[in-house]
Amino acid sequence: ILNVEQSPQSLHVQEGDSTNFTCSFPSSNFYALHWYRWETAKSPEALFVMTLNGDEKKKGRISATLNTKEGYSYLYIKGSQPEDSATYLCASDNYGQNFVFGPGTRLSVLP
Amino acid sequence: AAGVIQSPRHLIKEKRETATLKCYPIPRHDTVYWYQQGPGQDPQFLISFYEKMQSDKGSIPDRFSAQQFSDYHSELNMSSLELGDSALYFCASSLFGTGGREAFFGQGTRLTVV
Repeated sequence: ILNVEQSPQSLHVQEGDSTNFTCSFPSSNFYALHWYRWETAKSPEALFVMTLNGDEKKKGRISATLNTKEGYSYLYIKGSQPEDSATYLCASDNYGQNFVFGPGTRLSVLP
Repeated sequence: AAGVIQSPRHLIKEKRETATLKCYPIPRHDTVYWYQQGPGQDPQFLISFYEKMQSDKGSIPDRFSAQQFSDYHSELNMSSLELGDSALYFCASSLFGTGGREAFFGQGTRLTVV
């Protein structure tokens, strides 16, 4: 079973602050890295899928980068808002393996 | 397009009763993941199955069991229910293969134990 790690486990920021967190994944046989946003009491929402080293994706104030050689992805949130409060999950898609989810980073944005 | 179907959507049970939650993956998907999200809590990975075999195990209590059937649907069986089991239970499915996959989540089953 591949190991996908995320850090920090939880994070509290003030409204308006920018923040980022990390997903580490096995780089061998890598195909794609997925980010999901999971709000309380809702089904997770797919944010990004990234496949190429150096990929950068953006959706509003949220962006993500990918380094496949060293096996990490950063998720950035610019000017955090209370509605950004959620658990952010990453998942690694590697050839010949099951899709593996990380444990998530729980973000709380304080007004 | 067909999505991940979970049933029932809502379930109310009494303490010490048994509950069975069902997950029907997207057609052709062979892997199923179960998550539990308690009120105000982080989602917790419970268990996953690939080709009817358990592939990974998380924080699933011993009172719970799960299996995946030949049609790839999965059932989560919960016995001796406790008040703390009240939560949203989400199922996701994906396809084991050569990359280019995506995991899709169901809408969840809300279990209330009274």
